[in-house]
This record gives sequence, C-alpha cells and structure tokens, in this order.
Amino acid sequence: QITLKESGPTLVKPTQTLTLTCTFSGFSLSTSGVGVGWIRQPPGKALEWLALIYWDDDNRYSPSLKSRVTITKDTSKNQVDLTMANMVPEDTATYYCVHEPAAGKTDWFDPWGQGIQVTVSS
Amino acid sequence: QAVLTQPSSLSASPGASASLTCTLRSGINVGTYTIYWYQQKPGSPPQYLLRYKSDSNNQQGSGVPSRFSGSKDASANAGILLISGLQSEDEADYYCMIWYSSASVFGGGTKLTVL
Repeated sequence: QITLKESGPTLVKPTQTLTLTCTFSGFSLSTSGVGVGWIRQPPGKALEWLALIYWDDDNRYSPSLKSRVTITKDTSKNQVDLTMANMVPEDTATYYCVHEPAAGKTDWFDPWGQGIQVTVSS
Repeated sequence: QAVLTQPSSLSASPGASASLTCTLRSGINVGTYTIYWYQQKPGSPPQYLLRYKSDSNNQQGSGVPSRFSGSKDASANAGILLISGLQSEDEADYYCMIWYSSASVFGGGTKLTVL
C-alpha cells in the first residue's frame, strides 16, 4: 500500500522560505519510472501543479513558479522536499504530495497525501 | 486564456448521466493529448479516476466504477468525463489535467451537484 504524508510549518511570514517534506512508503524513488510531486490548492480554488521529481533526478517545474520553487529527494529516507522562496499571502493553500506510478513519465497522480494547510500571514 | 477550461458547475438528477467537459485552449489540439480526470470530495484530497487519449488508449483508475468513462469531442476540442447512473456519492468537484510542455496543468474544476 502506497502512502504519502506531508509535514512542515503551517504558518509562515511573508518573504520567508517554506520547506515542506513528503515522507512516503510502499514504493522506492529509485525504481525506474517513479515520480513524486507537489500540488497545491488555495481555499475554495482549483488545483495548481508545482513540481515533480523522477527517479533519475529529472525535475519538472511549473513555469509560473520555477524561479521560486525547488524540489529535491532523499531516496534513502523515502522523502521529497519542496522549497518555495519569498512566500506571499497568495501562497496560502493546502499543499499535497503525490505519487506518479512507474508507467512512464508525465502520467497520472495516484495516490495523493492528505495535504498540509499552509497559511502565509504576518 | 487558460490552457484548460471547465464549466464551474453542473447539476443532474440521480440515475441520469452527466457529461463534464474540459475544453483545450485554441491551438492546443485535444487529439494530441491524454486527458486525466480527478474527483475531489469536500475535505478530502483528489482521487484519480481515469485517463483517456483514444478508445484504444485509455485506463480506468483502480477501483473506479465503469460508470465513469472518458471520451473526446474533436469538434469542440474538448475532453469529456461521462458519469452514468448518477448516485448521490458522485457529488464532488471534478478536475481535468493534461501534460503540456513538460508541465502538468489542471482545469479550474467543475462542481457536480446531484439533486
């Protein structure tokens, strides 16, 4: 059974850098084809894809956030980190960690973590 | 103009069918893309439903009922999620997604009300 869990601060101040960790089980990020990504959802709004990292260190980023976002992995710890710089109130959202199955790159996300709600406020 | 456009809401009756559309921006040919569909119920993360590229290239998510199916309307340049035999439990937000220029893009979502 694959599970993912997000952790990190739930409140950050404007201009600060956010670092979230996704800790997963049931698969390995050293397996060919596998990816782990991040998606966010502001309150009452739509999903927004942020970034994804594959087993071979191929990183993909949202063009609109590429300058602020970094995704890294620690295969030995089964963790993927998302770092987002220069946080603003509009970054307030639930952040989800997702698994992309080993079916080839750029495919579906399943399952999703439960999400972590992050608020940006002074 | 957004890459993917979905109607914000749709209502349908129990037992009826609902057709949820996902229109691709002009210049982005739906025939080229695989459309992914997700369902999100209040307070829960989204769940993968299915992907559809063509009748010979599609996949149902694990445990997803066959009442959910995908298709395309080339004339409208749109992907379609068809839900037949609507049940109250199908009331949820539905999001379409494509991979465009090596990045994942979601539509704005459709809130489906079953009443």
